[in-house]
Amino acid sequence: DAKTTQPPSMDCAEGRAANLPCNHSTISGNEYVYWYRQIHSQGPQYIIHGLKNNETNEMASLIITEDRKSSTLILPHATLRDTAVYYCIVRTDNAGNMLTFGGGTRLMVKP
Amino acid sequence: NAGVTQTPKFRILKIGQSMTLQCTQDMNHNYMYWYRQDPGMGLKLIYYSVGAGITDKGEVPNGYNVSRSTTEDFPLRLELAAPSQTSVYFCASSSPITGVNEKLFFGSGTQLSVL
Repeated sequence: DAKTTQPPSMDCAEGRAANLPCNHSTISGNEYVYWYRQIHSQGPQYIIHGLKNNETNEMASLIITEDRKSSTLILPHATLRDTAVYYCIVRTDNAGNMLTFGGGTRLMVKP
Repeated sequence: NAGVTQTPKFRILKIGQSMTLQCTQDMNHNYMYWYRQDPGMGLKLIYYSVGAGITDKGEVPNGYNVSRSTTEDFPLRLELAAPSQTSVYFCASSSPITGVNEKLFFGSGTQLSVL
């Protein structure tokens, strides 16, 4: 599975959009991009995933570049409760392939 | 639905003791996983199971054992606890439907200290 690179930490003002980047320059054509987050001491929570098209759900939007070498998770109106570690993961959608969680980005939303 | 339930939430063990971390899910998921998370680090996969009676090693299986006799339960066994096993343990489950296989549901974790 392709490795990902994320900044270790980011700050965002409450009410503003939080844009979390992820670099996955070695991604293969059949690998999906997944985002999870982990709020302090809790189990990780699924946010969103995509293959090549941009995706949006009730939690966030996922923007994948045309060459698929990077992506951005967007939280449109960050709240204090969005303070968490955000993990970007890429892998194939084959049964038996397991998710590997790296270091992630620690997002701090400030009032 | 309770989702994924882990017990206990906290435990302190002495070196050499054994214990079983319990995990149960009520979503009829085939896939179940055990991860550990050391302070300030990401999660590492210990063992996983694709169905009752089937288990396989993950990234860091040494010092642990698992069994899967039912769809609902996936206990993790520590036979001879060592300080290196001090960590937070997360159980997760998922349903392998194409395209959403990686929507894992996690339990709230077990914080284990080995002293």
